[in-house]
Amino acid sequence: SAVISQKPSRDICQRGTSLTIQCQVDSQVTMMFWYRQQPGQSLTLIATANQGSEATYESGFVIDKFPISRPNLTFSTLTVSNMSPEDSSIYLCSVDATGYSNTGELFFGEGSRLTVL
Amino acid sequence: QKEVEQNSGPLSVPEGAIASLNCTYSDRGSQSFFWYRQYSGKSPELIMFIYSNGDKEDGRFTAQLNKASQYVSLLIRDSQPSDSATYLCAVNRNFNKFYFGSGTKLNVKP
Repeated sequence: SAVISQKPSRDICQRGTSLTIQCQVDSQVTMMFWYRQQPGQSLTLIATANQGSEATYESGFVIDKFPISRPNLTFSTLTVSNMSPEDSSIYLCSVDATGYSNTGELFFGEGSRLTVL
Repeated sequence: QKEVEQNSGPLSVPEGAIASLNCTYSDRGSQSFFWYRQYSGKSPELIMFIYSNGDKEDGRFTAQLNKASQYVSLLIRDSQPSDSATYLCAVNRNFNKFYFGSGTKLNVKP
């Protein structure tokens, strides 16, 4: 399976600040996905990060709030900008199984738990 | 209507019993279906995937798919306390666009 490392694993942030989450994958992948999991909720796709092109955002998520970088095929960052307490959540980086197995599954990083005061 | 619906639970079963988890989805074009297990504070991990109608068994786990009814289920036989977790149903509609249910919390009582 894919080995996905996320940093930071957790952080406590002040309202109005921004935080960048890093995601490193152990192999080259075409697409990387960023999900949000709010307390007690399921996973919601924020955006798909494609190398060499702009990220594709889902309804309800905008680039100004969640800018994404994808400088190469193994790395991506998600920034949560101008944070408010409503942004307190777990942010998960994921990749699909292409190149690892034929299951079609998603592999997930350990997640970054953000608390905004 | 949500893309993927699950009963949030909690579902409580005694150790050794069969736990039955259910999921419905809204898009008939959905192609592949997944069950993930998520322990508290951890990221989701794949338990089962199923693409075709019918049953698929893997150890104590059986996934069932009925595309006509747009229904997916997961059976866990001989439930163990270590199975206590939240189970997420996920549906892949196209090109790696996954939709997740809200999850069912399972408690297996010793």
